[in-house]
Amino acid sequence: AQSVTQPDIHITVSEGASLELRCNYSYGATPYLFWYVQSPGQGLQLLLKYFSGDTLVQGIKGFEAEFKRSQSSFNLRKPSVHWSDAAEYFCAVDPGDNAGNMLTFGGGTRLMVKP
Amino acid sequence: KAGVTQTPRYLIKTRGQQVTLSCSPISGHRSVSWYQQTPGQGLQFLFEYFSETQRNKGNFPGRFSGRQFSNSRSEMNVSTLELGDSALYLCASSGTNEQFFGPGTRLTVL
Repeated sequence: AQSVTQPDIHITVSEGASLELRCNYSYGATPYLFWYVQSPGQGLQLLLKYFSGDTLVQGIKGFEAEFKRSQSSFNLRKPSVHWSDAAEYFCAVDPGDNAGNMLTFGGGTRLMVKP
Repeated sequence: KAGVTQTPRYLIKTRGQQVTLSCSPISGHRSVSWYQQTPGQGLQFLFEYFSETQRNKGNFPGRFSGRQFSNSRSEMNVSTLELGDSALYLCASSGTNEQFFGPGTRLTVL
């Protein structure tokens, strides 16, 4: 069974500092990979996705992620964090075998931003 | 395009009751997936409907069911509610390979 691990439950960074959120997955093939963000009381907003091709993908709000097949990782990065980035971030995988849409999520990383 | 809408946004029920949640996908999207989010278990896939047929199913008991109508709107039903069913229920619609989520329905079971 596929699984997604986000090792950091909480992360605190200062505003303006760089950010990296870790994500590791376990799956036989290369799945489709996603990062979502959730603000309190809200649904999930898609930040970026990787299906194939260039392993560095750009997303919204200045985020990017790098797929590393050898490490089964898909880490999310942002060069300079803004206070409005405080939220919970979820990494997710989809089997990517055209069998439908069913995401497996990591446990999430809650980001806090210090002024 | 309008986003994914879910109704109601909040629900309070008591144990043993049943509940029906509704999801209207983005226009043109034929796939609707449902997820349960709880503090203890995180985000878990319930099921997916595509063109009125259940295409995938997660590991939930039979008390959880769903359906999809010809206009792609979907409903999920939970019968014989338990305290542990208290959660945020999210639906997502998909046209291709990415899913767009609604704001969720917060269900509280007393």
